[in-house]
Amino acid sequence: DAGVTQSPTHLIKTRGQHVTLRCSPISGHKSVSWYQQVLGQGPQFIFQYYEKEERGRGNFPDRFSARQFPNYSSELNVNALLLGDSALYLCASSLDRTPTSGNTIYFGEGSWLTVV
Amino acid sequence: AQSVAQPEDQVNVAEGNPLTVKCTYSVSGNPYLFWYVQYPNRGLQFLLKYITGDNLVKGSYGFEAEFNKSQTSFHLKKPSALVSDSALYFCAVRDGVASGSARQLTFGSGTQLTVLP
Repeated sequence: DAGVTQSPTHLIKTRGQHVTLRCSPISGHKSVSWYQQVLGQGPQFIFQYYEKEERGRGNFPDRFSARQFPNYSSELNVNALLLGDSALYLCASSLDRTPTSGNTIYFGEGSWLTVV
Repeated sequence: AQSVAQPEDQVNVAEGNPLTVKCTYSVSGNPYLFWYVQYPNRGLQFLLKYITGDNLVKGSYGFEAEFNKSQTSFHLKKPSALVSDSALYFCAVRDGVASGSARQLTFGSGTQLTVLP
């Protein structure tokens, strides 16, 4: 079975531009989360979606938004890009039927965003 | 709030020797604990998790971790290190209670493991 797939793998944007990153979860997984990993740091939680509803949001500005589609794939959108948005953006999926389920969270290979 | 500390940025060990990568955590409810490994320019790969039950958890590639509630630790171990184990290791925690913040993983800053031939 395919794992979590993300696209694009690498992209370069200019300050002020907009970017859309895409994610397809593991088949059967209804929960998708997004994380930002800046070089030299651990991943930071951005959003979680379950059954197309936002279930959690991290400490990120409103320039960051996301959505989940009926097929459980997801998009992360970032507006008005700043140099500091340069990072690896990781998508993760899990079964996650309940908060106490303890299901394993699987990550994709990430999308490398460079803002110049 | 939940948090994870990985006190060592770098761990060096000789091939064939046992290795330990340290992790301590803080959560208000029940801790769900995870270890992930990241190879250069790659995503995170799941190694093992503790949810409940036996304090010694066995995972992929011969890794194991011991949950210690009194010390709030979840150290990653392997009896005999391989050069191919060299990578960046992340410990993560999630609060296992039904609250709004329960669904996010909080990661440590990572420990770079280098296994010397």
